[in-house]
Amino acid sequence: GQNIDQPTEMTATEGAIVQINCTYQTSGFNGLFWYQQHAGEAPTFLSYNVLDGLEEKGRFSSFLSRSKGYSYLLLKELQMKDSASYLCAVLDSNYQLIWGAGTKLIIKP
Amino acid sequence: GAVVSQHPSWVICKSGTSVKIECRSLDFQATTMFWYRQFPKQSLMLMATSNEGSKATYEQGVEKDKFLINHASLTLSTLTVTSAHPEDSSFYICSARGGGRQGPQETQYFGPGTRLLVL
Repeated sequence: GQNIDQPTEMTATEGAIVQINCTYQTSGFNGLFWYQQHAGEAPTFLSYNVLDGLEEKGRFSSFLSRSKGYSYLLLKELQMKDSASYLCAVLDSNYQLIWGAGTKLIIKP
Repeated sequence: GAVVSQHPSWVICKSGTSVKIECRSLDFQATTMFWYRQFPKQSLMLMATSNEGSKATYEQGVEKDKFLINHASLTLSTLTVTSAHPEDSSFYICSARGGGRQGPQETQYFGPGTRLLVL
């Protein structure tokens, strides 16, 4: 079966750094996405990785290791507005997007 | 850009009525559109995938006669919830794939969602 695992909830402090991990087991791999979803809103696209390594985009970075079936989203200089759920999703061999359940990130002042 | 709109954003209706939700890609042509449902504090649940000009593919457990999907053009898909009941109350979100510039071709861009409350 296809499976994506990420922590249910994480807490971090404003100004700090947090790393949200995602492990996956899917039938094939055509890339991994990270989305941000604020409570009551739809998801918004953050990043896409298809090759191993780190992709940096401002305060957010995403890392992928295909051999380990592992990715992380790194958020730096945390702001209160970063409180949201972060969804990991993998594009499988049929180009179907397999969604993780999301990690709720709570930022404390 | 990659803007997807949804209309209406809120619907309150009586049990037994039908509700139509529109999803439009405003600045790109979407070869594929997706319809999701999300209950409070739960993850996204894919309901169906639709390609322009062809019949939608429904996920297991989703009644195609209850949730009618039409994808008449590369910028518009509609979801009609027929004979709605209170258990259909949920957050319905569409996404579009195929041409936004923020990510690769496979990126799904989401509409703002429609909250449906069936009384």
